[in-house]
Amino acid sequence: ETGVTQSPTHLIKTRGQQVTLRCSSQSGHNTVSWYQQALGQGPQFIFQYYREEENGRGNFPPRFSGLQFPNYSSELNVNALELDDSALYLCASSLGGQYQETQYFGPGTRLLVL
Amino acid sequence: GESVGLHLPTLSVQEGDNSIINCAYSNSASDYFIWYKQESGKGPQFIIDIRSNMDKRQGQRVTVLLNKTVKHLSLQIAATQPGDSAVYFCADLYGQNFVFGPGTRLSVLP
Repeated sequence: ETGVTQSPTHLIKTRGQQVTLRCSSQSGHNTVSWYQQALGQGPQFIFQYYREEENGRGNFPPRFSGLQFPNYSSELNVNALELDDSALYLCASSLGGQYQETQYFGPGTRLLVL
Repeated sequence: GESVGLHLPTLSVQEGDNSIINCAYSNSASDYFIWYKQESGKGPQFIIDIRSNMDKRQGQRVTVLLNKTVKHLSLQIAATQPGDSAVYFCADLYGQNFVFGPGTRLSVLP
């Protein structure tokens, strides 16, 4: 167990709706990264938050947004859901800053968009 | 853009044999690599990492080899066990984040 938790574990939404996914980072970690993993593929980087600021973003549209809180937990928000947003959403925590360290993953939230 | 890929999408080995999973990376400036194991329905689990100033690193039953000349990374698992069955990803640190390959599925045969 990594100490990284995510909620909910599963979620079903319909196209056009909005969703919020949550992540609690491992104790002592100040950085949270979010990934999208489609079935049969490797995780793809969405964005990273370091000390409550966005610290890098992948090739995802603005309808994917996030927050990090003072306790370093984080949220991923997706607006105007599309069918292709169906995937496993993973968060990973690490001790960030100038020197990137190993990222430890949570179990993920499986999102199904109908 | 930069990418990390794996040579073989599937690998089947007999229980007790050694497994070798390969990975090619394209970013010559990459200086940190991680191997993850992902079991069905779970998040990726850290196995072992290596920095670019090393050629080899050993863990418990696992060894990672890095060949910077040809930009190649491999994961060796000794005495493969049924519990090793999973999808294995290599990840390359590019900028602020890790770029994952598509993964190799390892199946351990009895």
